[in-house]
Amino acid sequence: KQEVTQIPAALSVPEGENLVLNCSFTDSAIYNLQWFRQDPGKGLTSLLLIQSSQREQTSGRLNASLDKSSGRSTLYIAASQPGDSATYLCAVDGTASKLTFGTGTRLQVTL
Amino acid sequence: KAGVTQTPRYLIKTRGQQVTLSCSPISGHRSVSWYQQTPGQGLQFLFEYFSETQRNKGNFPGRFSGRQFSNSRSEMNVSTLELGDSALYLCASSFEGVAYGYTFGSGTRLTVV
Repeated sequence: KQEVTQIPAALSVPEGENLVLNCSFTDSAIYNLQWFRQDPGKGLTSLLLIQSSQREQTSGRLNASLDKSSGRSTLYIAASQPGDSATYLCAVDGTASKLTFGTGTRLQVTL
Repeated sequence: KAGVTQTPRYLIKTRGQQVTLSCSPISGHRSVSWYQQTPGQGLQFLFEYFSETQRNKGNFPGRFSGRQFSNSRSEMNVSTLELGDSALYLCASSFEGVAYGYTFGSGTRLTVV
């Protein structure tokens, strides 16, 4: 059974700092990994999708890497802003029809 | 282009009642999946439909059911509601194939009293 772990569970950083969120998964047989952002009480916003054959994806200040063999992914956020405050979730797709989610990292960026 | 639309946004129901939630996927997406999010259990997979067929099902009791129509719109039904069914129910749609990822709706907040 696939298990996804995210570390840390919560993180508070001052504005402007670069930060790394970690995601690990137990079964390396995945089709892809997706990072999402969730604001309180809202739905999920897709940030980056990394297919199993890829090593990384970039979008603006965000960069996600994937090491499938070791079961790890990182989300790098450059020059953090207060608007980045949210919960970040990683999810792996191992069956092409179902996502298994981590428990999330709650990020607060302070002024 | 329109995103994934879930209705209603909020629902309050009484224990023992049943409820139906609706999800309209992005145009052209044929896969629709449902997730339950609670503070204690996080996001858990309920089921996935593709071209009106259930392809995958999570570990939920039979009170939770769903269906998909020919236009790809999906409904989820929960019968005999329990207090523990209070949650944010999220729907996601995906284009055929694993290269495209999933797009989520804003969710339906269900409160059972």
